[in-house]
Amino acid sequence: DQQVKQNSPSLSVQEGRISILNCDYTNSMFDYFLWYKKYPAEGPTFLISISSIKDKNEDGRFTVFLNKSAKHLSLHIVPSQPGDSAVYFCAASAASGTYKYIFGTGTRLKVLA
Amino acid sequence: DGGITQSPKYLFRKEGQNVTLSCEQNLNHDAMYWYRQDPGQGLRLIYYSQIVNDFQKGDIAEGYSVSREKKESFPLTVTSAQKNPTAFYLCASSRDSSAPLDGYTFGSGTRLTVV
Repeated sequence: DQQVKQNSPSLSVQEGRISILNCDYTNSMFDYFLWYKKYPAEGPTFLISISSIKDKNEDGRFTVFLNKSAKHLSLHIVPSQPGDSAVYFCAASAASGTYKYIFGTGTRLKVLA
Repeated sequence: DGGITQSPKYLFRKEGQNVTLSCEQNLNHDAMYWYRQDPGQGLRLIYYSQIVNDFQKGDIAEGYSVSREKKESFPLTVTSAQKNPTAFYLCASSRDSSAPLDGYTFGSGTRLTVV
């Protein structure tokens, strides 16, 4: 059973426009959420995080929104740049003392110049 | 610079062979993890360790073994019992449970291919 789902395998966006990547989860016990960016043949790099006590967190061009009632989070990238082209993973963890993150299947973002 | 080093980058295994993937970190992180990435399946947790000499199974531990004799090192052995070992393996580390929003630091991965 996939507890963290990224239903869009791929997304294409024009340079300079907004990219919106979505993530849904099923476990209401999840308290911490992360977004990672991954280039081919490399390890993922941390982008931004949010806890369940907040509904928005912003870091430069990246903003994460959390809708707890809908069990949905999204990552907004504004403006999108060609270097943002990568696979993006969302991950979630419960505050159980052991922070095992469960990852979604990823969304491949392509930013067109 | 602090980070996580995985070696080798590419590894080829013959049928019936055990192989060991290396993971070393100099971040002074307490916890370490092994994930496996397959196309269309995201990252799946194999094993994790919160302290030296202790580790727990993740979601897909069958056919794998680990050890944590030193804080800096968390090697993964892929045994002959693993039926489909061809995949991209990622090692990660994190501080203790007081900083969950810091997330993990990942290594650059090892691609294992059965030949």
